[in-house]
Amino acid sequence: EPEVTQTPSHQVTQMGQEVILRCVPISNHLYFYWYRQILGQKVEFLVSFYNNEISEKSEIFDDQFSVERPDGSNFTLKIRSTKLEDSAMYFCASRRTGNTQPQHFGDGTRLSIL
Amino acid sequence: AQSVSQHNHHVILSEAASLELGCNYSYGGTVNLFWYVQYPGQHLQLLLKYFSGDPLVKGIKGFEAEFIKSKFSFNLRKPSVQWSDTAEYFCAVNGNNAGNMLTFGGGTRLMVKP
Repeated sequence: EPEVTQTPSHQVTQMGQEVILRCVPISNHLYFYWYRQILGQKVEFLVSFYNNEISEKSEIFDDQFSVERPDGSNFTLKIRSTKLEDSAMYFCASRRTGNTQPQHFGDGTRLSIL
Repeated sequence: AQSVSQHNHHVILSEAASLELGCNYSYGGTVNLFWYVQYPGQHLQLLLKYFSGDPLVKGIKGFEAEFIKSKFSFNLRKPSVQWSDTAEYFCAVNGNNAGNMLTFGGGTRLMVKP
């Protein structure tokens, strides 16, 4: 069964540095998402993306965050100037067209900000 | 705004015991409901989903969930758990809108003792 893949599995970055998290959604999926989970807290929605633009974003997704689909396969999340509180597990998800289609998740990237 | 609450943070059961994990949601419109499972070291996997129709839905690995609209609940059940069911279980909801962002509950960590 096709899967959503995320790289790297673990990223360690100094505070203030830029970081790019990468995701390869399932190939026939058109809706893409980023979520994060701070240790011990809920999985939280960050942003959804469709047709090369953001369709929804949460309050967490401020000007420090951006998403891009640079080519036909990758979907990236960039954090421009990382803060300690950005340390979390970041999950990418994708789904097919149709409101009844479930989201499929990747394994996540553990981001540690030092 | 939609919200999801899961009543139990940690559950410990012996093999063959019956399982029921509570989930309540708050949302003003039509909702789609999901249970995801995360086995240790793995990604979130869809257990089952409810969109419409029969409020008792059956998922993989012998799990089922019942949507009770009057109680805003979507509890997960399994009549007889196995050691391999040890995992974290997440209830999630989305509204029937274009972005379909998921709102997650806090998760329930289930440990099944052999």
